[in-house]
Amino acid sequence: AQSVAQPEDQVNVAEGNPLTVKCTYSVSGNPYLFWYVQYPNRGLQFLLKYITGDNLVKGSYGFEAEFNKSQTSFHLKKPSALVSDSALYFCAAPVMNRDDKIIFGKGTRLHILP
Amino acid sequence: GAVVSQHPSWVICKSGTSVKIECRSLDFQATTMFWYRQFPKQSLMLMATSNEGSKATYEQGVEKDKFLINHASLTLSTLTVTSAHPEDSSFYICSARIFGREGRTDTQYFGPGTRLTVL
Repeated sequence: AQSVAQPEDQVNVAEGNPLTVKCTYSVSGNPYLFWYVQYPNRGLQFLLKYITGDNLVKGSYGFEAEFNKSQTSFHLKKPSALVSDSALYFCAAPVMNRDDKIIFGKGTRLHILP
Repeated sequence: GAVVSQHPSWVICKSGTSVKIECRSLDFQATTMFWYRQFPKQSLMLMATSNEGSKATYEQGVEKDKFLINHASLTLSTLTVTSAHPEDSSFYICSARIFGREGRTDTQYFGPGTRLTVL
């Protein structure tokens, strides 16, 4: 079955340090992968997506993600964290044979410590 | 980027009443909109896919008579929670997709969500 896993419920990073939020996937066929961010009491905001091509995908707010086929991972990264990056991050992938459905990971809460 | 709005942002109602939530795509036309439910500290659960001019497609386990969806125009979908009960209290989020540009890789654009509390 297709799945997207985020192994960490919470990640704490000091401001200015690099951050990584992990995501692994198990999908059929070519993987299409997304990262979304959710601020408190808000909907999700699109950060970036991988379709094909370069394994390093650059997105909004200075975030990037690295697609690694051998490790079936799509970790979200940022070189220097900001306090304002504190939020809930979701990795997601479309469901095979369902043009409309996306499955989300359980989410990782990122805390940036001043 | 594409903007999706929801109204209201929060609502409190008495048990047994019905509540309507609106989802609008502000700067693009969306033939397909989606309704999600999010429980505290959990991920999003797709409830239904709303298609303009046709019936919504509900996910397994979601009561279509309980959660009425109408997608009357290319920019508006509504979710009506009928005869609401406390267990319907949740955060409801809609999203919209620009149809047909990339198919399965289309980006969904999310509304800000509606917090429903049923007393």
